[in-house]
Amino acid sequence: AQSVTQLDSQVPVFEEAPVELRCNYSSSVSVYLFWYVQYPNQGLQLLLKYLSGSTLVKGINGFEAEFNKSQTSFHLRKPSVHISDTAEYFCAVRGGSYIPTFGRGTSLIVHP
Amino acid sequence: DAGVIQSPRHEVTEMGQEVTLRCKPISGHNSLFWYRQTMMRGLELLIYFNNNVPIDDSGMPEDRFSAKMPNASFSTLKIQPSEPRDSAVYFCASSQTVTGNTIYFGEGSWLTVV
Repeated sequence: AQSVTQLDSQVPVFEEAPVELRCNYSSSVSVYLFWYVQYPNQGLQLLLKYLSGSTLVKGINGFEAEFNKSQTSFHLRKPSVHISDTAEYFCAVRGGSYIPTFGRGTSLIVHP
Repeated sequence: DAGVIQSPRHEVTEMGQEVTLRCKPISGHNSLFWYRQTMMRGLELLIYFNNNVPIDDSGMPEDRFSAKMPNASFSTLKIQPSEPRDSAVYFCASSQTVTGNTIYFGEGSWLTVV
């Protein structure tokens, strides 16, 4: 079985400040990890993914995430956010099953 | 490239009516997923098809919901009869059947049952 916990339901931050969105997972097998972003009234689109190799993964729009196997975490970071980053962010894990498990989402709210 | 295409984008219907949501996956993808998104429950997997065959439908809430995939390029999700609690955004997504592959989502069908 696999599960994903997004520790914060909402993260408010001021523009140009750094941000970290937290994600912890559990799985009995090796996993592939994903972060998706959902802008208002749109579907989910891929930000970045970890399959293997370097534990630091870079994605679109300046986001990056670090896979930490010992802490079973895959936190998403951005050094300086913009108003346009306001959106819902979903962490997902895909392990032995082809079926991914999504977290409940974290709402990032960027204030001017 | 065309992404996952869903129709209708918006549907408002009366309680008791039949609702059919449609999905065209990305060409070459052999896995298809139907998700439902609500404020209360977040993103829920309803059903998963692989090579047009339903593999896991444990997320389908009740017998009022049914899904079909008659061929590799088309799937439907039907609700009959619809109820107000079915109001949600329904997403179709597709991928290639490799565990690490990205799942691509459609824009969603926004259903309101009054």
